[in-house]
Amino acid sequence: EAAVTQSPRNKVAVTGGKVTLSCNQTNNHNNMYWYRQDTGHGLRLIHYSYGAGSTEKGDIPDGYKASRPSQENFSLILELATPSQTSVYFCASGGQGNTEVFFGKGTRLTVV
Amino acid sequence: AQSVTQPDARVTVSEGASLQLRCKYSYSGTPYLFWYVQYPRQGLQLLLKYYSGDPVVQGVNGFEAEFSKSNSSFHLRKASVHWSDSAVYFCALSGNSGGSNAKLTFGKGTKLSVKS
Repeated sequence: EAAVTQSPRNKVAVTGGKVTLSCNQTNNHNNMYWYRQDTGHGLRLIHYSYGAGSTEKGDIPDGYKASRPSQENFSLILELATPSQTSVYFCASGGQGNTEVFFGKGTRLTVV
Repeated sequence: AQSVTQPDARVTVSEGASLQLRCKYSYSGTPYLFWYVQYPRQGLQLLLKYYSGDPVVQGVNGFEAEFSKSNSSFHLRKASVHWSDSAVYFCALSGNSGGSNAKLTFGKGTKLSVKS
């Protein structure tokens, strides 16, 4: 069964701290994505990857880094977390042409 | 640069009425287009997708969408809405080739409320 697993599901971080959000997919998809969802903004693309070793900037990459060490794993890294990064983060994986895209259940991040 | 615009942040319709949710896109090539739905406190679910061919595509639960290249639009329709259709609907766009064209961009969403 297709699956995208995000961890942690909830995280409270302190301002200035480092946060790593992890995403694992078992769909053998080339494409993986990180979004944040905020009221009034919909889903905004932070970073994406089209294969192991690749990362591409999305529409709002500032303050975030991404890492794709393998086909299955895609991490989002906040080196210096700020309260403005409080949000719900979704990871997704997509097959060729995004003919099928699966989303994780989301990570609720609060930066205090 | 690619973008998706959903001009209506909120739409309210009566149960049994017809529905149209609007989506406009900007993309230099031939896009792949999608509609997703998000129910409260849940993730996104795919309603339908368009790649090529017949501009009218059918999706789940009686939804359909029509692609118009001349208008750069991909509007979602349903003939008769049910109260359970209340949710947030997202239009999305992706390139039609691999590599960096895999960028998948979403609109801001339209919140649909169905009143009985």
